[in-house]
Amino acid sequence: NAGVMQNPRHLVRRRGQEARLRCSPMKGHSHVYWYRQLPEEGLKFMVYLQKENIIDESGMPKERFSAEFPKEGPSILRIQQVVRGDSAAYFCASSPFTTSGSYEQYFGPGTRLTVT
Amino acid sequence: QQQVKQSPQSLIVQKGGISIINCAYENTAFDYFPWYQQFPGKGPALLIAIRPDVSEKKEGRFTISFNKSAKQFSLHIMDSQPGDSATYFCAASRKGGGATNKLIFGTGTLLAVQP
Repeated sequence: NAGVMQNPRHLVRRRGQEARLRCSPMKGHSHVYWYRQLPEEGLKFMVYLQKENIIDESGMPKERFSAEFPKEGPSILRIQQVVRGDSAAYFCASSPFTTSGSYEQYFGPGTRLTVT
Repeated sequence: QQQVKQSPQSLIVQKGGISIINCAYENTAFDYFPWYQQFPGKGPALLIAIRPDVSEKKEGRFTISFNKSAKQFSLHIMDSQPGDSATYFCAASRKGGGATNKLIFGTGTLLAVQP
């Protein structure tokens, strides 16, 4: 039973380039959350998506960041025109949908983005 | 009101001892309190979680104590082992009333268990 998968695990981009981070949730999970972990800090919520819908993007920076979770394929977090301050570990977590309301979120291994 | 405060920032415990990490929250609407364990270079792993309708939950060597009136909860690791050395994060979320269950994390506690 595969866990949450993220790729790439490490990504190096020059300032001004685009970064695309991918997340495949656990089998049977239809909810995806993205979090960012800056060096020496805790995790901060960015966005919550269900298939084909952005449910809560209150933690996303207003510019340059976008996320999607298409009907087919992985969820993608896209950062345009990256700056050095975007260097961080980006984690996605997936959660099942149950009528009783499952709360558990299971995290992937993360993508470590370095902007040079 | 959305913050979760975690202490201590770092903790050194002898093998076999008890590790205790504390968290406090302000938002009384939170209804789910998990603890995550993170090793360097890895993603956070769900360790144990509690809902506010119980005061304690135990799984193996890990116990959550929850004090609803004080808005505090803590993680106890009994018989701490060197393999428990990691960073521990508490978190809180709310799902009811249209909320989205996004996790609000504490700042983490770096635990070192000395052999």
